[in-house]
Amino acid sequence: DAGVTQSPTHLIKTRGQQVTLRCSPISGHKSVSWYQQVLGQGPQFIFQYYEKEERGRGNFPDRFSARQFPNYSSELNVNALLLGDSALYLCASSSESGTSGVSSYEQYFGPGTRLTVT
Amino acid sequence: AQTVTQSQPEMSVQEAETVTLSCTYDTSESDYYLFWYKQPPSRQMILVIRQEAYKQQNATENRFSVNFQKAAKSFSLKISDSQLGDAAMYFCAYRSAFGPRDTGRRALTFGSGTRLQVQP
Repeated sequence: DAGVTQSPTHLIKTRGQQVTLRCSPISGHKSVSWYQQVLGQGPQFIFQYYEKEERGRGNFPDRFSARQFPNYSSELNVNALLLGDSALYLCASSSESGTSGVSSYEQYFGPGTRLTVT
Repeated sequence: AQTVTQSQPEMSVQEAETVTLSCTYDTSESDYYLFWYKQPPSRQMILVIRQEAYKQQNATENRFSVNFQKAAKSFSLKISDSQLGDAAMYFCAYRSAFGPRDTGRRALTFGSGTRLQVQP
């Protein structure tokens, strides 16, 4: 089975520009979460979506937005890019099937998108 | 809010030997899950081992085991018979067990990571 996929792998943007990152979850998974990982730090939670609705938001400014599509894929948008937005953006999917045990909520990560803002 | 602390930025171990990575966390919740993730240079975050807080028995996955001390809020990872392929960043992570989905409590809270080097 295919794992979580993300595109693009790398991209370079200029301050003030806008960027869209894409994520396709594991087949059958209905939840997608986004994390930002600045170099040398652990990932920080940005958003969680489930069944196309936002279920959680981390401490990020309104320049960050996301959405989830009927096929459960997701996009993360960042407007008015700042140098500090340079990071690895990770997407994770989980089934959230509601069955007992931790495995249905376990998050599987994609390879990430490396964003560089110059 | 929960916090996760990894106080060892870097660790080094000889191949075939044993190393222990430390993690402490702070929470007021009684039930939660703890994880160790491995992130090699390829960047893919890989789940190494998980521990449910309500279980007293420490989790074990092949060469990887944890020492979970709930009262002390400590969750260390022991890697036995270290291999060159174990070299990576290791992150400790926390997740709440309860809460409706719309509060985003399924989100993982990560520590700052420990870089493990394995010497041949």
